Amino acid sequence: DAGVTQSPTHLIKTRGQQVTLRCSPKSGHDTVSWYQQALGQGPQFIFQYYEEEERQRGNFPDRFSGHQFPNYSSELNVNALLLGDSALYLCASSLRVGQGNSPLHFGNGTRLTVT
Amino acid sequence: GENVEQHPSTLSVQEGDSAVIKCTYSDSASNYFPWYKQELGKRPQLIIDIRSNVGEKKDQRIAVTLNKTAKHFSLHITETQPEDSAVYFCAASSSSNNQGGKLIFGQGTELSVKP
Repeated sequence: DAGVTQSPTHLIKTRGQQVTLRCSPKSGHDTVSWYQQALGQGPQFIFQYYEEEERQRGNFPDRFSGHQFPNYSSELNVNALLLGDSALYLCASSLRVGQGNSPLHFGNGTRLTVT
Repeated sequence: GENVEQHPSTLSVQEGDSAVIKCTYSDSASNYFPWYKQELGKRPQLIIDIRSNVGEKKDQRIAVTLNKTAKHFSLHITETQPEDSAVYFCAASSSSNNQGGKLIFGQGTELSVKP
């Protein structure tokens, strides 16, 4: 039973560039959430996708955008990278249950370094 | 806005002793409280969770208590072992019946269990 998989594991970009991170949810899950985890901090919610639409969004600028595909996989895009975007980006999946979701399962993350 | 405060930031105990981590939340609508364990370089893993209609939940050496009036919840680990060493995060969600929705995380507690 495959868990949540993310790619790439590490990425180095230059300030001003754009980046795309990818996530495949755990088998059987249909909802994908993205979190940013700065060094020594707790994860911060970016947004959540279900049925290919953004359903909830945290306090992140429009430079952060996403997409969900029919197979439930998801991408996180960040434009005009800033030094402060350097962090571990975590993808988490869950299963929609009624108006709610099952508990989150996290991937190992993508470590983004902006220089 | 929504906020979760977690204390202490670091905790060192002797093997066999108990460890307690405390969190307070600001949003009175919060109704789901998971705890995650994150080992160095690995994904956050759910270890226990509690809903607002329950005051206490136990799973072997781990227990969580919730005081809705005071808006705080705690993680208790008994008979600690070296493999319990990790960073522990508390979180809260105010999405109705939405365990996998937007989670607000605490800042984390680095637990060190000395043999």
